[in-house]
Amino acid sequence: QVQLVESGGGVVQPGRSLRLSCAASGFTFRSYAIYWVRRAPGKGLEWVAVISYDGNNKYYADSVKGRFTISRDDPKSTVSLQMSSLTTEDTALYYCARASTMVRGRLDYWGQGTLVTVSS
Amino acid sequence: DIQMTQSPSSLSASIGDRVTITCRASQSISRYLNWYQQKPGNSPKLLIYATYTLQSGVPSRFSGSGSGTDFTLTISSLQPEDFATYFCQQSYNTSITFGQGTRLEIK
Repeated sequence: QVQLVESGGGVVQPGRSLRLSCAASGFTFRSYAIYWVRRAPGKGLEWVAVISYDGNNKYYADSVKGRFTISRDDPKSTVSLQMSSLTTEDTALYYCARASTMVRGRLDYWGQGTLVTVSS
Repeated sequence: DIQMTQSPSSLSASIGDRVTITCRASQSISRYLNWYQQKPGNSPKLLIYATYTLQSGVPSRFSGSGSGTDFTLTISSLQPEDFATYFCQQSYNTSITFGQGTRLEIK
């Protein structure tokens, strides 16, 4: 069955970095784009970043552009989100999700999320 | 970015009620609108994609409609397991955006 498992969350001080991972299984990983979406406490869902099925296209929300980097390792079926210069505004539950197409598609499977808390 | 506005932000209803949630886009998104359900402690679950296509396994009491800028999610007869938060999401461009959510509560 399709599984996406996030890891790497934790408590980090403002200005520091953190790397999240999303491990995929149960489907042909290289055929899917992978998204990161977050939900801050008391807020709604916010798209963070996406990487295309072949890794050639990457897009970021304005709120994280220049601070976050998304990458993928197809042999390991993983996607990483390198987060730097973290602020308290980045505190959220971070989900990875897959989509068969990056444009005009849908996020049909989501992981359970990994919690990032930015606090001094 | 395309802004998505849901209404209402919260809603109280009873078992068996018919419920409608609306979602408005700040520009035309054709029919590229998806709906998700999220329950506390769980990840979002895809309910409907491309405005009206039910995801596999989703009960037929859920339906979607609309086009352009105005969309609706309808639950024809509320069941206990439907009390959750619902989000719309546009997939018209690569910078996807979500509505702020509608929290559906038991009356």
